Amino acid sequence: GQNIDQPTEMTATEGAIVQINCTYQTSGFNGLFWYQQHAGEAPTFLSYNVLDGLEEKGRFSSFLSRSKGYSYLLLKELQMKDSASYLCAVRTTGFQKLVFGTGTRLLVSP
Amino acid sequence: GAGVSQSPSNKVTEKGKDVELRCDPISGHTALYWYRQSLGQGLEFLIYFQGNSAPDKSGLPSDRFSAERTGGSVSTLTIQRTQQEDSAVYLCASSLGRGFTDTQYFGPGTRLTVL
Repeated sequence: GQNIDQPTEMTATEGAIVQINCTYQTSGFNGLFWYQQHAGEAPTFLSYNVLDGLEEKGRFSSFLSRSKGYSYLLLKELQMKDSASYLCAVRTTGFQKLVFGTGTRLLVSP
Repeated sequence: GAGVSQSPSNKVTEKGKDVELRCDPISGHTALYWYRQSLGQGLEFLIYFQGNSAPDKSGLPSDRFSAERTGGSVSTLTIQRTQQEDSAVYLCASSLGRGFTDTQYFGPGTRLTVL
């Protein structure tokens, strides 16, 4: 079976740093994706990891450890507009479909 | 360029009626995916197209659900004899369909409400 776990909800303060964790147990692994989804909108692509290590993209970084089945998304210098759901998804081997976690709702307060 | 578009954005229907949801992928994207997002649930994969063929239909929940893609472009998801449990946001995504880092880009979704 496929299992992807994320915290349901997190809160943080504007200007702070937050780390959103994702653990996965899947029948195969061919990359891990992070998406951002504002309420009522489409998920938008943030990052992709397939090799172990850290990928940095501006204020956002994503880390992967394949041996631990673990990833995190790090958001720095939080802004109010970062309040959204963050979706962790794994592309398993075979076809291209993504298996998603239930998402982490992040609330950034002033 | 234009992103993935979906229509209608909202659909309210009565139980037992058939509905059709449309997806226009990004131009040049050969791969197209349908997902469903129910309240409090993660995105659930329904079906994947490469060109006009569907190598993976494993996520379709019942035989009331079907999808087709024509001309390697537009796709239609049809739900027959809708049930209340079909109420959800139906999201379409497209990707180039090749390469190790192939990334899916999502449309805004169709919110389906079955009364």
